Amino acid sequence: QQQVKQSPQSLIVQKGGISIINCAYENTAFDYFPWYQQFPGKGPALLIAIRPDVSEKKEGRFTISFNKSAKQFSLHIMDSQPGDSATYFCAGTQGGSEKLVFGKGTKLTVNP
Amino acid sequence: NAGVMQNPRHLVRRRGQEARLRCSPMKGHSHVYWYRQLPEEGLKFMVYLQKENIIDESGMPKERFSAEFPKEGPSILRIQQVVRGDSAAYFCASSGARYNEQFFGPGTRLTVL
Repeated sequence: QQQVKQSPQSLIVQKGGISIINCAYENTAFDYFPWYQQFPGKGPALLIAIRPDVSEKKEGRFTISFNKSAKQFSLHIMDSQPGDSATYFCAGTQGGSEKLVFGKGTKLTVNP
Repeated sequence: NAGVMQNPRHLVRRRGQEARLRCSPMKGHSHVYWYRQLPEEGLKFMVYLQKENIIDESGMPKERFSAEFPKEGPSILRIQQVVRGDSAAYFCASSGARYNEQFFGPGTRLTVL
């Protein structure tokens, strides 16, 4: 199976809070895990990505935590801002394949 | 540096008509991917093409759907005899080489009446 399960489906956070989105994958051959951000009416844009040889990657306010044994990874958005309100998708892909397998998305709303 | 361009942005077709969706990759990119996004769903891979070649079409429905990426011009996703279930957003992405980041276009929203 090449599924990626994402939760929660929607998330409401106050400005300045921490947003946490979780994903779990089944295919142990996956070796690249990107997160995409999508605003209404726009295409997804790559936010941050990680490979399983590291347990954490941080870029500004965005951090990916990766647990290879549990086949889980998560996105943390620190100091969440109203401009972060968007739909976030996690994805996975395996070496030798160009297919991105996406989760169903999390709609994040950051209240001012 | 223009990004991935898709047109039309919105397309309305009646059942049984043909839909043609176009994608121009970023300058210098020769790898194109098509994904479909149903309402409240994530994106689902359809096909991966390089110039004049289909590399992976494992996500394409077996009937009515076809894709091409000619030597000159944009990539085309063609849906023949559309049905209501084809209503979705269709996204194109491009990359400069295999295993590189995929840059997405704004999508074409297809509505089948």
